[in-house]
Amino acid sequence: AQSVTQPDIHITVSEGASLELRCNYSYGATPYLFWYVQSPGQGLQLLLKYFSGDTLVQGIKGFEAEFKRSQSSFNLRKPSVHWSDAAEYFCAVVGNSGGGADGLTFGKGTHLIIQP
Amino acid sequence: GAVVSQHPSRVICKSGTSVKIECRSLDFQATTMFWYRQFPKQSLMLMATSNEGSKATYEQGVEKDKFLINHASLTLSTLTVTSAHPEDSSFYICSARDGGGRSHQPQHFGDGTRLSIL
Repeated sequence: AQSVTQPDIHITVSEGASLELRCNYSYGATPYLFWYVQSPGQGLQLLLKYFSGDTLVQGIKGFEAEFKRSQSSFNLRKPSVHWSDAAEYFCAVVGNSGGGADGLTFGKGTHLIIQP
Repeated sequence: GAVVSQHPSRVICKSGTSVKIECRSLDFQATTMFWYRQFPKQSLMLMATSNEGSKATYEQGVEKDKFLINHASLTLSTLTVTSAHPEDSSFYICSARDGGGRSHQPQHFGDGTRLSIL
């Protein structure tokens, strides 16, 4: 079965500084990978996705992520964070998870805190 | 585009009550919808996959008689928590996949339903 690891539970970054959120996956085939962001009490918004082609993918809000097969990683980056980026970030992979078909398997999330 | 509406956003009810949550894709058709559960400060766990016109597929450990799913049309899936108890209190989120339902197409999420059972 597939799994997703987000090693950092919390990350604190100063406003204007660069950001990298780590994500490692375990999946037997070519993964379909996603990053979502969740504000408190809200649903999830898709930031970007990867399923084939260019390994550096661009998303909304100035985010990008790079798929590295050799490292089983799909890290999320942003060159300069804004206070509005403070939220919970989830990395996810799609694949069979037991009885389901194509449901997402999520990492535990990384809580991003922005310092003024 | 790709808007998913979930209703209600919050429910507070007594133990033993059944609660229905609706998930609608507003501007696209979704042959497949998904139901997730999220405990406080934790990740989302897939509960079941809802397929239009057929029975839902439940994840291991999820009671299908407790969590009834109906996907009667291409734009609506419902989750009914039957005879709810305090341990069912949680944040329930639905998602719908567009683009013909292929695995690599992203899922679009509703805003979730906060269920509190007293």
